[in-house]
Amino acid sequence: RKEVEQDPGPFNVPEGATVAFNCTYSNSASQSFFWYRQDCRKEPKLLMSVYSSGNEDGRFTAQLNRASQYISLLIRDSKLSDSATYLCVVNANYGGATNKLIFGTGTLLAVQP
Amino acid sequence: DTAVSQTPKYLVTQMGNDKSIKCEQNLGHDTMYWYKQDSKKFLKIMFSYNNKELIINETVPNRFSPKSPDKAHLNLHINSLELGDSAVYFCASSPYRDSYNEQFFGPGTRLTVL
Repeated sequence: RKEVEQDPGPFNVPEGATVAFNCTYSNSASQSFFWYRQDCRKEPKLLMSVYSSGNEDGRFTAQLNRASQYISLLIRDSKLSDSATYLCVVNANYGGATNKLIFGTGTLLAVQP
Repeated sequence: DTAVSQTPKYLVTQMGNDKSIKCEQNLGHDTMYWYKQDSKKFLKIMFSYNNKELIINETVPNRFSPKSPDKAHLNLHINSLELGDSAVYFCASSPYRDSYNEQFFGPGTRLTVL
C-alpha cells in the first residue's frame, strides 16, 4: 500500500462547480497534514494545513478523519485559476526530532469555462 | 526577493557526466531539503540538512552527494549521470526539522540526461 494515496484524476469541472478530493494515508502515527498546490511546470506551494477539527480558508475546506486515516479537500465555486495539481501531504517520523513529508502523486483539476 | 532560488533552471547533459545544482534560501530557515520529481510527478525526498548537519538520507545512489556549506545553502552534486536521473529536482527549506511547518520550494532544476 502506498504511504499516501490519491485519485490522480483528471477532474474536469465547469466554473462555479464544487469539487472534492480525497486522500488516504497508511501511517497512523502521522501528526501533520497538508494540501499543497502545484501548477504546471512550477514548484509546489502550501495551500493549507489540515487540522483535526477541520478548517476553512475562503472557498477551500479541509477535513481530517484520523480513525479512517482519510483527508479531504473541498473547493467551492471553482475558478479557472484553481486549475492545478493538488498534492496531499502527510508527515512521517524519520528518527528523533526529524520528520519528513510524504507527498501523494496529486490530483489534477481542470476547471473549464 | 526570491525566497528559495536554484541554479541552473535547466540542465541538459550526456550520460556519464558530473553536474552540480545549487540552492540558496534567504528566509533564515534552519532546514533545507532536496526532492526529486520523476516523470510520473511523484515527489520524493532525497536529503535534508539542518544547520549544516545531514539529518535525512534516503535510499539514493551514492552518485548523489549533497553539501551544505552554511545553513542558507545546499548543493547537490551528481556523478556519472544516468538516463534514469532525468527528473525535476526541487530544493526546499523550512524553519525547523520537525515538518510541522510549511516547506518553501525553489523553482526546480529540470535535468535531462541524454
